[in-house]
Amino acid sequence: AQSVSQHNHHVILSEAASLELGCNYSYGGTVNLFWYVQYPGQHLQLLLKYFSGDPLVKGIKGFEAEFIKSKFSFNLRKPSVQWSDTAEYFCAVNNAGNMLTFGGGTRLMVKP
Amino acid sequence: SQTIHQWPATLVQPVGSPLSLECTVEGTSNPNLYWYRQAAGRGLQLLFYSVGIGQISSEVPQNLSASRPQDRQFILSSKKLLLSDSGFYLCAWKEVGLLGEQYFGPGTRLTVT
Repeated sequence: AQSVSQHNHHVILSEAASLELGCNYSYGGTVNLFWYVQYPGQHLQLLLKYFSGDPLVKGIKGFEAEFIKSKFSFNLRKPSVQWSDTAEYFCAVNNAGNMLTFGGGTRLMVKP
Repeated sequence: SQTIHQWPATLVQPVGSPLSLECTVEGTSNPNLYWYRQAAGRGLQLLFYSVGIGQISSEVPQNLSASRPQDRQFILSSKKLLLSDSGFYLCAWKEVGLLGEQYFGPGTRLTVT
């Protein structure tokens, strides 16, 4: 069975700091990759996704993620975080079936 | 546009009582439907998914069951709640044929006392 690991459970940054959240998965075949975000009191929503093509994908609110197949990784980055980025972030993997496998999530707190 | 509803938003139930959580989707037909439980630090655990009316697949054996009586309605149930059933329950949908991307409802916070 595939698994997804997010090694950073809690991250605290000051505004304007750069962000990188790690995501590694175990499945060796073709995968589709996602980052979801859950802002306090809001729905879980899609931040960005990778299906094929350019391994550097850009999402909403200035986020981007890079798919590195050789490392089984899909790390999320943002050059300069804002207080409004405080949220929980989830990496998810789909191997072209009907199901997503989620990582354990990373809680990001951005200090103003 | 498509929307997904869950109710109730919060629920406090005693141990041993029954449970019924409802999820409905609007604006799409024959979606795949999913129930997840979200626990702090453990991400989202898939409980059930359905590809059509009356078709339910269970991912984790447990005290819960799911049903899909109508195309866009998905229900999570229990006959007798356990303390360990407390958590945040999320419903999600996906369009048939699209790659992987799921859309989530607002969730139900269940506390079993």
